Amino acid sequence: KAGVTQTPRYLIKTRGQQVTLSCSPISGHRSVSWYQQTPGQGLQFLFEYFSETQRNKGNFPGRFSGRQFSNSRSEMNVSTLELGDSALYLCASNSWTGREQYFGPGTRLTVT
Amino acid sequence: AQSVTQPDIHITVSEGASLELRCNYSYGATPYLFWYVQSPGQGLQLLLKYFSGDTLVQGIKGFEAEFKRSQSSFNLRKPSVHWSDAAEYFCAVVMDSSYKLIFGSGTRLLVRP
Repeated sequence: KAGVTQTPRYLIKTRGQQVTLSCSPISGHRSVSWYQQTPGQGLQFLFEYFSETQRNKGNFPGRFSGRQFSNSRSEMNVSTLELGDSALYLCASNSWTGREQYFGPGTRLTVT
Repeated sequence: AQSVTQPDIHITVSEGASLELRCNYSYGATPYLFWYVQSPGQGLQLLLKYFSGDTLVQGIKGFEAEFKRSQSSFNLRKPSVHWSDAAEYFCAVVMDSSYKLIFGSGTRLLVRP
């Protein structure tokens, strides 16, 4: 069974730009969560999608948004990038049977 | 406020020695409990989980964890550490019906040859 795929793996953007990250969950999983990991704040929950609907949202500004498609693939978007958005963005594919979350390799975003 | 505490930022053990990583949570009820491991530049790998039942759970790579309700703890253990276990370990909980993981700040494990 294929794991969680995240693209791209690395990204360099300039302040003020926007970025879109993509995540393909494990086949059969309909829920996807996104997390931000930084040295200062650690791992923080961004949002969770299930069947194309956002079910939960973390404490992030509105510049952070996401969506999920009918095939369960998910994208997250960050608009008007700030230096502080530099982070590893992790996508998790959520098992509906046991609440386990399986993480992808992440997208390393650097904002200059 | 609900929180997860990993009191040890770094731990160094010799290869072959036993290991215990500590995790405490703050929540009124029993949450769903997890341990993840992260190697440099990688995502998170699920080691084990506790939802209910037997309080000693076995995971992958020879790890186990024990849930102690009275201490609000979920400590990770391994009887004999291998050099490949060097990584960062995160304790995480889900405290409601969502999939929102709340992570501890992590413990970095160094293994001496």
